[in-house]
Amino acid sequence: QVQLEQSGTEVKQPGASVKVSCKASGYTFSDYGISWVRQAPGLGLEWVGWINNKNGDTNSARKVQGRISLTTDTSSSTTYLELRSLKSDDTAIYYCARDSKSSSSLGYFDLWGRGSLVIVSS
Amino acid sequence: DVVLTQSPLSLPVTLGQPASISCRSSQSLGYSDRNFDFNWFQQRPGQSPRRLIYKASNRDSGVPDRFSGSGSGTDFTLKISRVEADDVGIYYCMQGTHWPITFGQGTRLEIE
Repeated sequence: QVQLEQSGTEVKQPGASVKVSCKASGYTFSDYGISWVRQAPGLGLEWVGWINNKNGDTNSARKVQGRISLTTDTSSSTTYLELRSLKSDDTAIYYCARDSKSSSSLGYFDLWGRGSLVIVSS
Repeated sequence: DVVLTQSPLSLPVTLGQPASISCRSSQSLGYSDRNFDFNWFQQRPGQSPRRLIYKASNRDSGVPDRFSGSGSGTDFTLKISRVEADDVGIYYCMQGTHWPITFGQGTRLEIE
């Protein structure tokens, strides 16, 4: 069926890097993009970044620019988010959501993964 | 960045009664002659968000017709005609018309 399957919980120290994955199934991967949205404990939703799964174009929020890498592996229909120089306020559930492949019309979000918990703690 | 302000932030409702959530944008997101990117999401406890309404007024497949969305410009509304127990959760509005994508703070709906 149509779904996004995410990797599991990660516990990292401040300053480390983390890479989470989002594997799509049940639809044509390259017809869509993927956005990443995070939710800190007990708080609201924050958009982090987007990738076009066909050509690899990316866009990311100012708050994480310079620390984020978004990549895609079309052979396995998997999108990756890597976040470097982790801080305690990066602690959150990171959701992937199916999005438009056009950077001028983002926020489609009709399909979500279950989330990957990233804990940053010394 | 576009700021989306939801009200109320907490919404206690009696089963079977209607509910309404407002979302006000700090910038216009467009009017009826444009397809603007404004969605409503429901997040039940312990679950991922789920899109309910897209482009302000279009209900997603599988969403009960008790849910409806309206609005344009800077003012948008989500209405539930008769609240059921299954509707408990947090509701978020979201805009993708202006970069970056932003969400409202969320409205917590609970049963009285």
